[in-house]
Amino acid sequence: AQTVTQSQPEMSVQEAETVTLSCTYDTSENNYYLFWYKQPPSRQMILVIRQEAYKQQNATENRFSVNFQKAAKSFSLKISDSQLGDTAMYFCAFIFLNSGGSNYKLTFGKGTLLTVNP
Amino acid sequence: ETGVTQSPTHLIKTRGQQVTLRCSSQSGHNTVSWYQQALGQGPQFIFQYYREEENGRGNFPPRFSGLQFPNYSSELNVNALELDDSALYLCASSFRGPGNTIYFGEGSWLTVV
Repeated sequence: AQTVTQSQPEMSVQEAETVTLSCTYDTSENNYYLFWYKQPPSRQMILVIRQEAYKQQNATENRFSVNFQKAAKSFSLKISDSQLGDTAMYFCAFIFLNSGGSNYKLTFGKGTLLTVNP
Repeated sequence: ETGVTQSPTHLIKTRGQQVTLRCSSQSGHNTVSWYQQALGQGPQFIFQYYREEENGRGNFPPRFSGLQFPNYSSELNVNALELDDSALYLCASSFRGPGNTIYFGEGSWLTVV
């Protein structure tokens, strides 16, 4: 069974500073994707960044980047130049590709509530 | 804006009743999934539909059922509601294929009293 663990229930950061959210996962699969989703108070789950397991290069999206350590099964999210609008619940999620090569289900962690303070 | 719309936004039901939640997928998306998110938890996979057939199911009892229509819209039905069914129900749509982005709706908040 696949599991995703986020060990930081809450974090806070000052505006313009950098923060790193942690995520570890457990799987026996070799072909999978990892994601960070953001869920603001509006409840809309928004994709922040994704990482293909077969790619060694860490994904980046503007102020967001990941540190993907496949052997350690670790997938942390770094937010640079934090903004007030980054305040939200952040979920780490995992999906593996079944034998048909199709998406199946996302497995989520319990989330980290990030608060950006002015 | 993800193009995935859900209705209703909020609803309150009594234990034992039945509820239907609706989802309109992003245009062209042929795969829809439903997730249950209890307060303070991450979403849990309920089931997925592809081309109107159930394509996978999480650890939910048969009283959770669904439909996908030819236009790829979808319904989640829950019978014999229990208090623990109180949660945010999220619909997610995507194209079927490896690693395609999955888009979520804003959810339907169900309260069972």
